[in-house]
Amino acid sequence: DAMVIQNPRYQVTQFGKPVTLSCSQTLNHNVMYWYQQKSSQAPKLLFHYYDKDFNNEADTPDNFQSRRPNTSFCFLDIRSPGLGDAAMYLCATSRDYTILGAFFGQGTRLTVV
Amino acid sequence: TQLLEQSPQFLSIQEGENLTVYCNSSSVFSSLQWYRQEPGEGPVLLVTVVTGGEVKKLKRLTFQFGDARKDSSLHITAAQPGDTGLYLCAGARDSNYQLIWGAGTKLIIKP
Repeated sequence: DAMVIQNPRYQVTQFGKPVTLSCSQTLNHNVMYWYQQKSSQAPKLLFHYYDKDFNNEADTPDNFQSRRPNTSFCFLDIRSPGLGDAAMYLCATSRDYTILGAFFGQGTRLTVV
Repeated sequence: TQLLEQSPQFLSIQEGENLTVYCNSSSVFSSLQWYRQEPGEGPVLLVTVVTGGEVKKLKRLTFQFGDARKDSSLHITAAQPGDTGLYLCAGARDSNYQLIWGAGTKLIIKP
């Protein structure tokens, strides 16, 4: 089935140690998003790509970077994770604008020790 | 600021009861979406409503978009323990990638 796949499902990293989360999609959607979600709150958009065009949200810390080497893959890099970065990270896709909805992966639960 | 106010934030009811969750805004949206999220999983899109006054049914779930496209409701009939989860509404506007999210409703259905 076409879907959005995130790896790993669970990631434990040390304080300050760079970590990379990955996302792949078989939906062939133009737009890929990275969200951060904490404790049953609404997801918070970090950035998105429309094809290769990168769009950063104004309040996304510089500590967070992203790469999209091709249509199918997108990566979230956290350069120096702090304790406050522990959260669920969600990748999502949409064909174009979000008017018809977004399709989410299962998420990566990041723990910082 | 486009806000979506979602209520209630928490609801715990017995199996078999009915419930309604509301999302309200002072802004007009091109569409309103409802997602359900289980613990440790990503949100799953349940439905998208795009026309003012539109009503969509998904088994025991009924979704309605307000006539002015500023509000939406989710009604569950005869709730079951499998309905337990976090329900999120999100509004979308044309030519915009940003979804405006409600705060979520944590729903617990007790057997």
